[in-house]
Amino acid sequence: EPEVTQTPSHQVTQMGQEVILRCVPISNHLYFYWYRQILGQKVEFLVSFYNNEISEKSEIFDDQFSVERPDGSNFTLKIRSTKLEDSAMYFCASSGPDGNEKLFFGSGTQLSVL
Amino acid sequence: GNSVTQMEGPVTLSEEAFLTINCTYTATGYPSLFWYVQYPGEGLQLLLKATKADDKGSNKGFEATYRKETTSFHLEKGSVQVSDSAVYFCALSENQAGTALIFGKGTTLSVSS
Repeated sequence: EPEVTQTPSHQVTQMGQEVILRCVPISNHLYFYWYRQILGQKVEFLVSFYNNEISEKSEIFDDQFSVERPDGSNFTLKIRSTKLEDSAMYFCASSGPDGNEKLFFGSGTQLSVL
Repeated sequence: GNSVTQMEGPVTLSEEAFLTINCTYTATGYPSLFWYVQYPGEGLQLLLKATKADDKGSNKGFEATYRKETTSFHLEKGSVQVSDSAVYFCALSENQAGTALIFGKGTTLSVSS
């Protein structure tokens, strides 16, 4: 079965540094998402992306966050100046023409901000 | 706003025991409901779904029925296996393409032989 690939699986960074989390969605999918899960808390929606623009974002997704699909295959999440509270597992997901009827998730990137 | 509440874990069972993981939701419209599962080291996978009231989703021996009157979508399995050990997430969506899934906190299930 096709799968969503995320790299790296673990990322450690210093507070204030920029990080870029990378995802390769399933090739014929049209909708792309980022979610995160802080340890012990709910999986939270960050942003959805369609047709090269953000279609929806949560209040968590402030000016420190940005997303990009630079080359038609990768889908990236950038955090410009990381804070301690950004430490979480970040999940990328994609879906086909049915939109959110069936999301395929990657295995996540564990971000640790020190 | 929309929300999902799951029973707190962890849930620890012996093989062949009956499983129930409770999930209730709050929604303004008529959402679709989902159960996702995350096995160790893997991403979330769709386990089953139901798109309208009284629908029953089922997969791999797991079942859940969309109960509008109790706003619930409890996950059940008659006889769990060690390989069912995972984290289970209840979720809802508003049925519009590209909109957010709202997840519960997840419930960890550990099954021992």
